Amino acid sequence: GQNIDQPTEMTATEGAIVQINCTYQTSGFNGLFWYQQHAGEAPTFLSYNVLDGLEEKGRFSSFLSRSKGYSYLLLKELQMKDSASYLCAVRDGDYKLSFGAGTTVTVRA
Amino acid sequence: IAGITQAPTSQILAAGRRMTLRCTQDMRHNAMYWYRQDLGLGLRLIHYSNTAGTTGKGEVPDGYSVSRANTDDFPLTLASAVPSQTSVYFCASSIAGGSYNEQFFGPGTRLTVL
Repeated sequence: GQNIDQPTEMTATEGAIVQINCTYQTSGFNGLFWYQQHAGEAPTFLSYNVLDGLEEKGRFSSFLSRSKGYSYLLLKELQMKDSASYLCAVRDGDYKLSFGAGTTVTVRA
Repeated sequence: IAGITQAPTSQILAAGRRMTLRCTQDMRHNAMYWYRQDLGLGLRLIHYSNTAGTTGKGEVPDGYSVSRANTDDFPLTLASAVPSQTSVYFCASSIAGGSYNEQFFGPGTRLTVL
């Protein structure tokens, strides 16, 4: 099975940087995904890592260390619209995703 | 339509009743999934299908059944609903296999079982 941990809540100021950590213990690994979910809406894809290192996509970056079972999502130049839940998900060898409980980020003016 | 649609958007259901949640995608994805999302527990996989004609059990399959008669449709049935099945249900789809295949999610169905 999969055990995926991420903080429940984080608060940051508009324009700041926030880092959301995700640790995982899995029986198989075939990539790690980050999704964004606004309240009352469906999750939407943000990033994907399968090799160690940093993937940058505009204001969002995601890092993976497979040996440590660790990933983080970095949100830079925070905007009010970034207030949402961020979901860490690990894909197993059968291409099924297991999700963490999500981190709710609140951006304050 | 473009993407994934789900119906109904929301439903209030009496315990013991049968209910089918509908999911349709037009992206020709071969894999489809059903999740439930509960506060503090995140998304949990109920059932999945890697291709038409095949299905598999996820993390929380009890009380639910699915069928995959064709590529586009993946209905989820609650044979006899119980209050613990009150949740938000998301359908998703993806290309099966390969290294970079994100899942696309439908808008969700909010189900309340009384």
